Amino acid sequence: AQSVSQHNHHVILSEAASLELGCNYSYGGTVNLFWYVQYPGQHLQLLLKYFSGDPLVKGIKGFEAEFIKSKFSFNLRKPSVQWSDTAEYFCAVIETTDSWGKLQFGAGTQVVVTP
Amino acid sequence: GAGVSQSPSNKVTEKGKDVELRCDPISGHTALYWYRQSLGQGLEFLIYFQGNSAPDKSGLPSDRFSAERTGGSVSTLTIQRTQQEDSAVYLCASSFLSTNLGQGETQYFGPGTRLLVL
Repeated sequence: AQSVSQHNHHVILSEAASLELGCNYSYGGTVNLFWYVQYPGQHLQLLLKYFSGDPLVKGIKGFEAEFIKSKFSFNLRKPSVQWSDTAEYFCAVIETTDSWGKLQFGAGTQVVVTP
Repeated sequence: GAGVSQSPSNKVTEKGKDVELRCDPISGHTALYWYRQSLGQGLEFLIYFQGNSAPDKSGLPSDRFSAERTGGSVSTLTIQRTQQEDSAVYLCASSFLSTNLGQGETQYFGPGTRLLVL
């Protein structure tokens, strides 16, 4: 069965530090990849997505992610975080043999940015 | 524009009671999904609607769970004889229907219904 692994459950860092969150998936076929964010008290929002083309995708709020097919990875990065980036981040995958678009989520990474 | 809305935002019920959770998708979105977010299981897929039909019910955890969608719009998730393990946040998402097999469309999530079964 498909699984999505996020390497860290909790990350604490200071403002202006760089952030990288790891995501790996186990499916060997073609995938669509997403990062969603859930700010405190808010609902899930899309940060960025990869369907095809340039493996380096840029999203909102200065986030980017790189799809490395050979490593089954889709890591999220931000060069300099802000206090407002405190949130929970979810990696998600759609297996493209599944035309229904069912999202399979990782366990999430709680990110806390300290002033 | 209006996003996905869900009601109620919070629901407290007693074990054994039935509950109904409602989802209003974004206008024009023909695909609708229910997910569940719980401490032990993370975010799990429950059911998918394409229009009013549900071609994928594979995530429903038991036959106490059912869902319907009417008019290609509003969806209701019903949990019968609720159990304490049903306590979770139930999320609804909607999207345009993918025209390309194997390519999903971006799903937009509602705020969720927080269900507590006592």
